[in-house]
Amino acid sequence: RKEVEQDPGPFNVPEGATVAFNCTYSNSASQSFFWYRQDCRKEPKLLMSVYSSGNEDGRFTAQLNRASQYISLLIRDSKLSDSATYLCVVILVYNFNKFYFGSGTKLNVKP
Amino acid sequence: NAGVTQTPKFQVLKTGQSMTLQCAQDMNHNSMYWYRQDPGMGLRLIYYSASEGTTDKGEVPNGYNVSRLNKREFSLRLESAAPSQTSVYFCASTGGPTYEQYFGPGTRLTVT
Repeated sequence: RKEVEQDPGPFNVPEGATVAFNCTYSNSASQSFFWYRQDCRKEPKLLMSVYSSGNEDGRFTAQLNRASQYISLLIRDSKLSDSATYLCVVILVYNFNKFYFGSGTKLNVKP
Repeated sequence: NAGVTQTPKFQVLKTGQSMTLQCAQDMNHNSMYWYRQDPGMGLRLIYYSASEGTTDKGEVPNGYNVSRLNKREFSLRLESAAPSQTSVYFCASTGGPTYEQYFGPGTRLTVT
């Protein structure tokens, strides 16, 4: 079983829409969580860390549900520039040196 | 700050040739990583280095070697390239306490 699983999508949404992605993780020892954004043929870039209490950065909101072992990313008022692949990342508490990446969820925002 | 830099950006090799991918970071991070990403797939860890002088295997180490030359630099060597090693290679680094990982721009390698 993969450490981190994501729906590959694509999610096709119109500009201005709200869209949410989930990511499930298999190991309850997972300690740190992140969302990265990857544009086509580019390197992944950190979008936001995910804190236990949930956190918001502008139009982006990240949530953690430890009981059900998933994290979520909500994007409000989608922009064309939000089109990208969103990667979920977890780190295990006993091995902060290994990052487990999901395969990503592709988002297409249409005019 | 340049962040994480990688050279070369593109490379074409013939089967059996060798090459070294270079990576450097200027963020004073202790940990550095090499990943590969194949089309439509997620990142897979090849090797990582938790600190200067240490290296460990990741998920897909076969066919690769690494050197942590100093705190800034972490190189990846392909001794005898194979077509299965055609991929995009990303170097990354991490510094505490938040464990946020930062990536270089990647090297696009084709082995024919």
